Amino acid sequence: EAGVAQSPRYKIIEKRQSVAFWCNPISGHATLYWYQQILGQGPKLLIQFQNNGVVDDSQLPKDRFSAERLKGVDSTLKIQPAKLEDSAVYLCASTQHGLAGPNEQFFGPGTRLTVL
Amino acid sequence: TQLLEQSPQFLSIQEGENLTVYCNSSSVFSSLQWYRQEPGEGPVLLVTVVTGGEVKKLKRLTFQFGDARKDSSLHITAAQPGDTGLYLCAGESMDSSYKLIFGSGTRLLVRP
Repeated sequence: EAGVAQSPRYKIIEKRQSVAFWCNPISGHATLYWYQQILGQGPKLLIQFQNNGVVDDSQLPKDRFSAERLKGVDSTLKIQPAKLEDSAVYLCASTQHGLAGPNEQFFGPGTRLTVL
Repeated sequence: TQLLEQSPQFLSIQEGENLTVYCNSSSVFSSLQWYRQEPGEGPVLLVTVVTGGEVKKLKRLTFQFGDARKDSSLHITAAQPGDTGLYLCAGESMDSSYKLIFGSGTRLLVRP
């Protein structure tokens, strides 16, 4: 079974530029998450999708960050304009929804963003 | 706001030593998961504990969920260099929102 795919793996931009990340979850996984992981910290949830609807985006800085999952499969996360403090690894994760039992998430390799 | 505190933040030990990592919260979780993350990769699930007091073993790793489902520990016996990595605990919210709250992580270095 293919895992969660993310691209690009690395991105270097200057502040005030824009950037976009792409994620393709595991086939059949209805719930998709974007996390921000700053060096030395645990992942922080930015946004959670259930199919193509947003479940939680309370921690997404909406003045500069946006995300969509138009067909309920792959997703993009955009930052415009980027700030120095956005330098982090952006992780995408997915999980099957609606099954009994704990929520076990599967993560992609992440995109490491450096803002200069 | 639910928070998970992990300790220690960093641990450097010699191969063959034992160690314990702690994950504590004032909140109750429906489950507690432990992940390991290696440089340049996403976190990989090691184990999920669900029942208060539950103990699970994965080779040399022993995971325990506190009786009140607010805390957990990870014990590694006879650590090996291959155990090096970032260990993250994550609690699942009780509100059935399918959200995980992650701890800040414990960075483990096992020296040969």
